[in-house]
Amino acid sequence: SQTIHQWPATLVQPVGSPLSLECTVEGTSNPNLYWYRQAAGRGLQLLFYSVGIGQISSEVPQNLSASRPQDRQFILSSKKLLLSDSGFYLCAWSPTTETQYFGPGTRLLVL
Amino acid sequence: GIQVEQSPPDLILQEGANSTLRCNFSDSVNNLQWFHQNPWGQLINLFYIPSGTKQNGRLSATTVATERYSLLYISSSQTTDSGVYFCAVAPFDAGNNRKLIWGLGTSLAVNP
Repeated sequence: SQTIHQWPATLVQPVGSPLSLECTVEGTSNPNLYWYRQAAGRGLQLLFYSVGIGQISSEVPQNLSASRPQDRQFILSSKKLLLSDSGFYLCAWSPTTETQYFGPGTRLLVL
Repeated sequence: GIQVEQSPPDLILQEGANSTLRCNFSDSVNNLQWFHQNPWGQLINLFYIPSGTKQNGRLSATTVATERYSLLYISSSQTTDSGVYFCAVAPFDAGNNRKLIWGLGTSLAVNP
């Protein structure tokens, strides 16, 4: 069966520090991968998606970037965090055009 | 772009009650999904339902694509049903499920 992992689970970082969040998927190959952010409140905002190694599409201009160095690895990064980067970051994968499956998420607090 | 509106925004039920959650969308879609986010943040897919009706235990969903709405029914609610229910859609030009547009969710609290 397929599983998706995210780490770290929680993170507290000072403003201006770098960021690296990792997501890995097991039990499948060539998945579509997604990064979402959920701010206080409830809505999910799609940040990046990837259909293959090295193929990244950005949905929202910001100081974040994403990379996919391996087929089942998706990394979210920032060189300098802003206060507004605080939130709940969710990684998801999808095998087909149908459903998306989500990881447990990373709670990021920028102080 | 396509707009997704969910109602009600908040709902409080007594255990055992039934409820209906609604999702309206402003344009034709080729993908509609319902998700449940539990109080710890985990998002679980409930239904992939761009049209028609599906049932899974106490939950069922109906999408009337021509009228641009979907309904999620919860029967005999339990405290474990608490959390936020999201509707997410992809317009016809999204291409391969890459761009789900999310509603703001319905926050459900089921009291014992």
